[in-house]
Amino acid sequence: DIQMTQSPSTLSASVGDRVTITCRASENIDAWLAWYQQKPGKPPKALIYKASRLESGVPSRFTGGGSGTEFTLTISSLQPDDFATYYCQQYKTYSRTFGQGTKVEVK
Amino acid sequence: QVQLVQSGAEMKNPGTSVEVSCKATGYTFTAYGICWVRQAPGQGLEWMACISTYNGKTDYAQKLQGRVTLTTDTSTTTAYMELRSLTSDDTAFYYCAREGASAGPTVLDSWGQGTLVTVSS
Repeated sequence: DIQMTQSPSTLSASVGDRVTITCRASENIDAWLAWYQQKPGKPPKALIYKASRLESGVPSRFTGGGSGTEFTLTISSLQPDDFATYYCQQYKTYSRTFGQGTKVEVK
Repeated sequence: QVQLVQSGAEMKNPGTSVEVSCKATGYTFTAYGICWVRQAPGQGLEWMACISTYNGKTDYAQKLQGRVTLTTDTSTTTAYMELRSLTSDDTAFYYCAREGASAGPTVLDSWGQGTLVTVSS
């Protein structure tokens, strides 16, 4: 299986900050990567697919980038609603895999 | 609007089986796949399996192969996940999710509310 590794595991930030989360794949996944946001007690919500394409209704402050083995999720100006845990997921192979998650918390 | 509504919480004894259902509404059921993802309390997301609602083709995570079975009933637009030989390690929230329209794997664009399965004697 392809392993997905996110960094950092926890990120402390303030409203208005620019934050970047990194996701690395153990082998080339081209751009077959999605990002999800999850808040406590809720199911995940898709933010980005194919590495950089925004899901409908997702604010433009979220940006995805990268290809191959290294990917980023950037929030240009952190809003109160953005404090949550973020997961990357590869779907290059039929055995889809998630990263371990990055929790964005209040500094 | 797209909705995935899952069955209620379950409490099971070790060694038994559980079946969780996922009723889909608001879209053409056979145009999208259904995947299952679980999350142990306080832990991350774990992909379990996916099924094509069009032809029944399934993909299972290797670690669960032989213990999990996915099925669908197109007449009721409902997907089912059965997990057998339960242990305490299977205690988790189980989510169904719609896999976007594509010939292969793609993003999980809508999710059910989750079903808590607790395995304890």
